[in-house]
Amino acid sequence: ETGVTQTPRHLVMGMTNKKSLKCEQHLGHNAMYWYKQSAKKPLELMFVYNFKEQTENNSVPSRFSPECPNSSHLFLHLHTLQPEDSALYLCASSQGTGLFGDEQFFGPGTRLTVL
Amino acid sequence: LAKTTQPISMDSYEGQEVNITCSHNNIATNDYITWYQQFPSQGPRFIIQGYKTKVTNEVASLFIPADRKSSTLSLPRVSLSDTAVYYCLVGNSNYQLIWGAGTKLIIKP
Repeated sequence: ETGVTQTPRHLVMGMTNKKSLKCEQHLGHNAMYWYKQSAKKPLELMFVYNFKEQTENNSVPSRFSPECPNSSHLFLHLHTLQPEDSALYLCASSQGTGLFGDEQFFGPGTRLTVL
Repeated sequence: LAKTTQPISMDSYEGQEVNITCSHNNIATNDYITWYQQFPSQGPRFIIQGYKTKVTNEVASLFIPADRKSSTLSLPRVSLSDTAVYYCLVGNSNYQLIWGAGTKLIIKP
């Protein structure tokens, strides 16, 4: 138990569906992250939020839309995804602002399958 | 921009010391090096972090040479429960966190 929870753990969706992934951290951290993890590839940082403000968007397609209503919650809204978007989506949090590789605490991930 | 490269897989036996090396030739002056461990169906978990020379904690050591173009994670006396994927991460001050592709470590009895 890392103090970071993600729901749902598994999600299957069609290309025309709209769904959302939820992440919650119970650690009092100030930074939250979304990552994409595909098989045999490095983790891809998607978005970073510091104190609810988005500070990083690594050229992520607009079909992925993050939302951070407060420092404890992070959402990833999904719309008209492609089969190649199927992956494990990981949420993480850290105490600091992400500089210099602050220790990140990860949730268990949401396994997404796009049909 | 730093790029990290690490072996795809390694095997070892219980009780042995395991060393996993990561190369990061273009590491920047203000980058730190961090290692994470990941088990199936879980997110990565922090192991150790360093900037230069040697760092040791209760589970691992991290060796970083003077030129900082590589780093070596050392796991002393591994057990079956150390079977996992190990990731090298270089932390960039521009919020660019460069992860390696991971080394799958298999420990045999």
